[in-house]
Amino acid sequence: AQSVTQLDSQVPVFEEAPVELRCNYSSSVSVYLFWYVQYPNQGLQLLLKYLSGSTLVKGINGFEAEFNKSQTSFHSRKPSVHISDTAEYFCAVIRTNFGNEKLTFGTGTRLTIIP
Amino acid sequence: DAGVTQSPTHLIKTRGQQVTLRCSPKSGHDTVSWYQQALGQGPQFIFQYYEEEERQRGNFPDRFSGHQFPNYSSELNVNALLLGDSALYLCASRFQGADTQYFGPGTRLTVL
Repeated sequence: AQSVTQLDSQVPVFEEAPVELRCNYSSSVSVYLFWYVQYPNQGLQLLLKYLSGSTLVKGINGFEAEFNKSQTSFHSRKPSVHISDTAEYFCAVIRTNFGNEKLTFGTGTRLTIIP
Repeated sequence: DAGVTQSPTHLIKTRGQQVTLRCSPKSGHDTVSWYQQALGQGPQFIFQYYEEEERQRGNFPDRFSGHQFPNYSSELNVNALLLGDSALYLCASRFQGADTQYFGPGTRLTVL
């Protein structure tokens, strides 16, 4: 089984400051990793994903993330946040040899941008 | 290209009632999964449908059931509603074998 831990339930950040959203996972098999963003009263939107290759991946809205296999982490960063980044961010994993596999999510990190 | 759509947007039911939620997948997608997102929590997998069959199921009781139609759309049915069933129900679709699931806006169910 897989599990995901998002180390911070809430992250307040001043506008135009950098932010890091932390994610650690546990799995006995290889996994793909995802970050999804959920704006207030909306569904989930794919922010970025790591499947293979370069461990640094870029996503939408200026976010990027780095896969670290030795530390089983997939932290996401943005160098300068905007008010519009206010949302809930979810880290998720899925087994690489999936067929009918489910996504396993963390409990989320609420990013609040302070003007 | 329309994304994943869900109906209704909001729903209020009372304990003991039954509810049906609907999902239309993204164009061309043949696999539909349902997730329950309780307030303040991450989404939890309910089940997945492919070729009109339930392929995998999470830790949810039999009160939760589903169906997939030949056009790949899907329904989630919940019987004998409990207060704890109040949540945002998310539908996600993908091509079978693809790595990325695309989510709909969700149906918010409130059980009184």
